[in-house]
Amino acid sequence: EVQLVESGGGLVQPGGSLRLSCAASGFTFRTYEMNWVRQTPGKGLEWLSYISTSGSNTRYADSVKGRFTISRDNAKNSLYLQMNSLRAEDTAVYYCARQLGSGVLDYWGQGALVTVSS
Amino acid sequence: DIQMTQSPSSLSASVGDRVTITCRASQNISRYLNWYRQKSGTAPNLLVYAASHLQSGVPSRFSGSGSGTNFTLTISSLQPEDFATFYCQQSYTSPLTFGQGTKVDVK
Repeated sequence: EVQLVESGGGLVQPGGSLRLSCAASGFTFRTYEMNWVRQTPGKGLEWLSYISTSGSNTRYADSVKGRFTISRDNAKNSLYLQMNSLRAEDTAVYYCARQLGSGVLDYWGQGALVTVSS
Repeated sequence: DIQMTQSPSSLSASVGDRVTITCRASQNISRYLNWYRQKSGTAPNLLVYAASHLQSGVPSRFSGSGSGTNFTLTISSLQPEDFATFYCQQSYTSPLTFGQGTKVDVK
């Protein structure tokens, strides 16, 4: 059974940093591209970042470019999102999602809540 | 960025009803259109990809159609678990973008 489990969410002050992790199991992680997507009541679902199978190719939404960094450790079956210079508008539920092919997100984690507030 | 617009934003229906949700892209996306269902408090779940391909394990009451800029998700007979929010998403180009969602609730 495919499982994606996010961790690392929580409360952080504006300007602070947080690192999300996504532990993958039930499939050959190193052969799948991965993404991060977030959801807020106001803006709905927002794609944030993509990483290729090897980690050599990454893409970011303009809203997080330069502040967030996606990475992966295929030996540990894990995906990461390093979030720096956090703002109130980054408050959201963050999901990791497996890519089936060409931007199709076939499995999602349960989500990790990130709250940016003083 | 490609904008995805769904209609309606919400609808009320009963179990057994036929439900149709539409999604319009701001430019031609060929058939790079996917549909997701999100039940309350859970993550989105892939229903249809490439406009009309049913994801493995998804019930056959779901179907998708369309190409170019106009797409449709149809639920032939609404079930209790379909009282949820449905999203379209384009995978034609980066950044991936989603529609604002269509909430289906009980009439």
